[in-house]
Amino acid sequence: DSGVTQTPKHLITATGQRVTLRCSPRSGDLSVYWYQQSLDQGLQFLIQYYNGEERAKGNILERFSAQQFPDLHSELNLSSLELGDSALYFCASSLTGTSSPGELFFGEGSRLTVL
Amino acid sequence: QKEVEQDPGPLSVPEGAIVSLNCTYSNSAFQYFMWYRQYSRKGPELLMYTYSSGNKEDGRFTAQVDKSSKYISLFIRDSQPSDSATYLCAMDRGSSNTGKLIFGQGTTLQVKP
Repeated sequence: DSGVTQTPKHLITATGQRVTLRCSPRSGDLSVYWYQQSLDQGLQFLIQYYNGEERAKGNILERFSAQQFPDLHSELNLSSLELGDSALYFCASSLTGTSSPGELFFGEGSRLTVL
Repeated sequence: QKEVEQDPGPLSVPEGAIVSLNCTYSNSAFQYFMWYRQYSRKGPELLMYTYSSGNKEDGRFTAQVDKSSKYISLFIRDSQPSDSATYLCAMDRGSSNTGKLIFGQGTTLQVKP
């Protein structure tokens, strides 16, 4: 158990809908990362927050947004969903804002299916 | 072209075999090199971590980095069925103040009893 909690574990929704994925980092970790994992693209970095502030942005679509709250939990909002958004969404956390020499701890992921 | 290339496999070996997993990369700015292991329906977990070129050994696992060739490897000795998982290489420039990792596609390994 990595200590990172993600909810929901599974989500099935329709195209055009909006969903929110939630992540609670390990106790004491200040940084939260969101990654998307699909069969064709692999594990892709979406966005990073450090102590409530956006730290880095990857290939995140404009339809997607995220935030980190004062209690350090984070939410990833996905809107106007398309079939291609079906994927595993992972949250990871780390103590610091850099991954090196630190370690990223991943949750078990939220599997999103868009029908 | 992707920054990090990794053969997705699958790779199937008998128990006890030596396994070699590899990644190539194009960005010479990468300084930190990691291997993550991902079991089915689980999140990735860090297996090995190497800074710059050289070798690092941890039990049955050895990580090698050759920056001149932009090539990294993970060797697993005396492979066990419990090693069956997807192995992802990951890289970081290190000089930035972010934790953004660039991952390879992952290689699926099956170790048969």
